[in-house]
Amino acid sequence: GDSVTQMEGPVTLSEEAFLTINCTYTATGYPSLFWYVQYPGEGLQLLLKATKADDKGSNKGFEATYRKETTSFHLEKGSVQVSDSAVYFCALSENDMRFGAGTRLTVKP
Amino acid sequence: EAQVTQNPRYLITVTGKKLTVTCSQNMNHEYMSWYRQDPGLGLRQIYYSMNVEVTDKGDVPEGYKVSRKEKRNFPLILESPSPNQTSLYFCASSPAWAQVNQPQHFGDGTRLSIL
Repeated sequence: GDSVTQMEGPVTLSEEAFLTINCTYTATGYPSLFWYVQYPGEGLQLLLKATKADDKGSNKGFEATYRKETTSFHLEKGSVQVSDSAVYFCALSENDMRFGAGTRLTVKP
Repeated sequence: EAQVTQNPRYLITVTGKKLTVTCSQNMNHEYMSWYRQDPGLGLRQIYYSMNVEVTDKGDVPEGYKVSRKEKRNFPLILESPSPNQTSLYFCASSPAWAQVNQPQHFGDGTRLSIL
């Protein structure tokens, strides 16, 4: 069945550092791909999405490109802020919604 | 404001005492689902509903029940809770499951502790 694998955390970075969180997927067809963010005490919020190969999703300085050849959807940000501290989930939607295990990011001033 | 509302946000209870977690959405969404979030496991789907009176099992349905009598409400019922159901629960909705590129909207979560 479909599945999502994302890099384990936690990830700790200094402010203004470059962020990459790896995400790879397994799917039988052509899923839509998502990154969600969960701030402390809150539910998941959509961060960005891509619906077909080579699409780039972007929002709030975060980017991810749908790479069909490597079945990946890595999340990147050029310069993180303390306010980016949260748990990030990669997800795919095909026959149903599948989530990765989540990666906790802590950004220190 | 478009939202998914869960109640209660926190609950500590004892084994065997029936409980219900309510979920309501005000976006006229057809699709609703329940997840549990456990450390290292991410979100796992418990049950989902594609529309009124249509529900189906997700990956971890054992010990849970749901109903969908109205479009806006999708309560999660634990008839006889056990300690292994201690978890953080999320309700989510989306416009229609056929639109697979539509993201889900999540509630703020319900933290259940079963003693």
